Amino acid sequence: DVKVTQSSRYLVKRTGEKVFLECVQDMDHENMFWYRQDPGLGLRLIYFSYDVKMKEKGDIPEGYSVSREKKERFSLILESASTNQTSMYLCASSSAGTSGNNEQFFGPGTRLTVL
Amino acid sequence: AQSVTQPDIHITVSEGASLELRCNYSYGATPYLFWYVQSPGQGLQLLLKYFSGDTLVQGIKGFEAEFKRSQSSFNLRKPSVHWSDAAEYFCAVGSGNTGKLIFGQGTTLQVKP
Repeated sequence: DVKVTQSSRYLVKRTGEKVFLECVQDMDHENMFWYRQDPGLGLRLIYFSYDVKMKEKGDIPEGYSVSREKKERFSLILESASTNQTSMYLCASSSAGTSGNNEQFFGPGTRLTVL
Repeated sequence: AQSVTQPDIHITVSEGASLELRCNYSYGATPYLFWYVQSPGQGLQLLLKYFSGDTLVQGIKGFEAEFKRSQSSFNLRKPSVHWSDAAEYFCAVGSGNTGKLIFGQGTTLQVKP
């Protein structure tokens, strides 16, 4: 059974802390994605990666960075967390190919609260 | 630019009633279209997808969707809703050759007993 796992389901951090959100997939997928989900705004793409050590900005990259040192792992980093980064964070992966028909598989999400 | 609109933010239906969730997209070429469902506190699960061929697509959990090019729509339907269908539903379109998906704002479905 295909699986995308995220390191934490719930996380509470203080303003100014450095936060790491980890995502691991076991499907040997080339593509990995980080989204942010807020009520009424749907899913917004933060960053994505086509391959190891490759990354591209999504629609809302400000305040975030990512790391992909291994194919199966994609990390989202908040260098200095702020209260407006309180949100649900979803990781997804998909197989290679650059057509738009690539189904994305999602992790369970991490609900981050920044106090 | 590609976009997806789900006109209904919140829908309430009675258990056993039929359901239709609307999705409109803006895309220049033949779109790749998806419907995902998100149960409370969970990630997204694929219900169905359309790439080409038959415009009526069957999915899991008794859902189906119909692609109508003339109306730029991909509405999700279910003939008889169950209480377990209460969730948030997202329509998405594949973004050209990037592998990215563009999501609508989501529709929250509430099911009345």
